[in-house]
Amino acid sequence: DIQMTQSPSSLSASVGDRVTITCRASQGIGNAVAWYQQTPGKAPKRLIYDAFHLQSGVPSRFSGSGSGTEFTLTISSLQPEDFGTYYCLQHNANPPTFGQGTKLEIK
Amino acid sequence: QVQLVQSGAEVREPGASVKVSCKASGYTFTIYDINWVRQAPGQGLEWMGWMDPKSGNPGYSQKFQGRVTMTRDNAISTVYMELSSLSSEDTAVYYCARVLSGSSFDYWGQGTLVTVSS
Repeated sequence: DIQMTQSPSSLSASVGDRVTITCRASQGIGNAVAWYQQTPGKAPKRLIYDAFHLQSGVPSRFSGSGSGTEFTLTISSLQPEDFGTYYCLQHNANPPTFGQGTKLEIK
Repeated sequence: QVQLVQSGAEVREPGASVKVSCKASGYTFTIYDINWVRQAPGQGLEWMGWMDPKSGNPGYSQKFQGRVTMTRDNAISTVYMELSSLSSEDTAVYYCARVLSGSSFDYWGQGTLVTVSS
């Protein structure tokens, strides 16, 4: 199985900060990465697909980059509603695998 | 609009089975696979398997092979996930999620809490 190593596991940032979350794949996976935000008691919500495509309706402060084995989710200017846990997902090979998650707290 | 609506919370005793449903609407049911992902309390996301509604063929994670069965009823646009031989470690929220072949999960159900307790 392809392992997705996500970092950091948690972070605390202030409104307006630039935030970066990284996922490293255990082998090359092209662009087959998606990023999700999950808030307590809710299902995950897709933010980014195919590494850098912004999901319709998602604010443009979210962006994704990377290919091969290293991928990044960036929030350019953190907003209060951006709290929650963020997950990367690789779907290049079965089984699809998730990163361990990054819990984002707003200071 | 696309919706995946799951059945309600369940409580089972160890050793029992549970069957969770996922009813789709707002799109052509047979074009998208339905996957199942679970999340234990305070933990991350774990993929369990998928159902191709067009062919009726499932695919399962090795971890759940032999214990999970996924079926579908195209007449009512519903996919089912049955998990047997439950233990306390199966206590989790179970999600269904839609996938276009080769892509990632775009729409998710609201989740179904399954509690395994004696």
